[in-house]
Amino acid sequence: DTGVSQDPRHKITKRGQNVTFRCDPISEHNRLYWYRQTLGQGPEFLTYFQNEAQLEKSRLLSDRFSAERPKGSFSTLEIQRTEQGDSAMYLCASSLGAGENEKLFFGSGTQLSVL
Amino acid sequence: GESVGLHLPTLSVQEGDNSIINCAYSNSASDYFIWYKQESGKGPQFIIDIRSNMDKRQGQRVTVLLNKTVKHLSLQIAATQPGDSAVYFCAENMKTGGFKTIFGAGTRLFVKA
Repeated sequence: DTGVSQDPRHKITKRGQNVTFRCDPISEHNRLYWYRQTLGQGPEFLTYFQNEAQLEKSRLLSDRFSAERPKGSFSTLEIQRTEQGDSAMYLCASSLGAGENEKLFFGSGTQLSVL
Repeated sequence: GESVGLHLPTLSVQEGDNSIINCAYSNSASDYFIWYKQESGKGPQFIIDIRSNMDKRQGQRVTVLLNKTVKHLSLQIAATQPGDSAVYFCAENMKTGGFKTIFGAGTRLFVKA
C-alpha cells in the first residue's frame, strides 16, 4: 500500500453517463497527477496539480474531462457524456513536490468500463 | 514511448537467473529516468531512478544503466525471483514541460520456478 487511495476501484457505466473518481494522495505530498492506462500500454499523462493549481493538461484530455483539487488535498476527475473509448484504468499518483525530479506514488486505480 | 498495442514484449527467465529489460527513450532533453514495476491489479511502483549525469546506479538487487548516446536504458535484476514477475516500465522526466513523467511501453517479465 503506497498511501494513495482511489475510489471507486471499479465503475461500470452506460455510454452518455457522467462519472466521477476520487483520489486521496499521501497527506504531505504537494503534487498530484492523473494518468490513464489501457490494456498493454504504459500510463498516459492526463493532468497534474501543484497544491490546488492545475498546472498542465495533456492535449489528449478532451473538454469532457475535468479535474479539480479544491483544497490542495484530495482530487476528483469527472468524465462527462462517457464514450466507450473512455474505458480504461484511471490512475492517480502523488509526489512531494520538493524538486524537479521525483518518484511518483501510485494508487491502485479506478477501472472504468463504459457499456 | 512507443506503443506496442496489446502485445507487450515478454521476457521469460528461470528463477535464480539474471534478467535484463531494455528500453529506448525518445527525448534528448530528458534528465531523469525511472523504472517502475506494475503487478496485476495495482498501480506502478517505483524501483530505481537515475539522473542524466550518471551512467549506472545500483539498488539492492537491481541495477539501472543509462546510455545517453543511443538513448537507451536498461534494468538488470539479479537472482530473479517469482515475486519479480510483473510488467516493468521505463519512464522519463523532461527538462522542459513541467514535472510530468512520461512512460514508455512495458515489458512483461515471467519468472519460471
